[in-house]
Amino acid sequence: SAVISQKPSRDICQRGTSLTIQCQVDSQVTMMFWYRQQPGQSLTLIATANQGSEATYESGFVIDKFPISRPNLTFSTLTVSNMSPEDSSIYLCSGTGGGTEAFFGQGTRLTVV
Amino acid sequence: GDSVTQMEGPVTLSEEAFLTINCTYTATGYPSLFWYVQYPGEGLQLLLKATKADDKGSNKGFEATYRKETTSFHLEKGSVQVSDSAVYFCALRDGSGNTGKLIFGQGTTLQVKP
Repeated sequence: SAVISQKPSRDICQRGTSLTIQCQVDSQVTMMFWYRQQPGQSLTLIATANQGSEATYESGFVIDKFPISRPNLTFSTLTVSNMSPEDSSIYLCSGTGGGTEAFFGQGTRLTVV
Repeated sequence: GDSVTQMEGPVTLSEEAFLTINCTYTATGYPSLFWYVQYPGEGLQLLLKATKADDKGSNKGFEATYRKETTSFHLEKGSVQVSDSAVYFCALRDGSGNTGKLIFGQGTTLQVKP
């Protein structure tokens, strides 16, 4: 199974600023995803991170707000831009390889004040 | 579209009690089914999975059977421990395409008291 290292684990940010979250996988994965988990809620898919091309966003999420990069098969970043208190959530990256299951990073707990 | 529905929580049990967390799904095609667990302050860990009808996934004393006729994947454990206190998520992965996306249920919080 793949191990995904995600950082930072938590941060407190001022509104109007941006935060970049990084995920590093210890082996090559076919697909990488970014999810948001709002307080007390389930996980919602933000986008699929495509290697070397623009991410594929789900309905309700846009590139200007959540730019994503994936320069290679083991690394991806998510930026939360122009933050507001409504962006306070846990953000998780995920990867899938040859099997059916997905592996998750530890999550980034973001608080916007 | 595809969806997953879990029983609402929180579920509060005494140690050594029997646990059932219900999960039903709606999907086209033949999805793979998963249970993930989230301990306080941590990310998600895969607990068990099943990829086809009648498969039984098991791990750490937890079991779930893929029931196509009832579109269910209920999680069970015969004797829970305090350390099992966590949030449990049922999820499916679309089997018809190759998107790799997971669709999650709303999560069920389990509290086990000594």
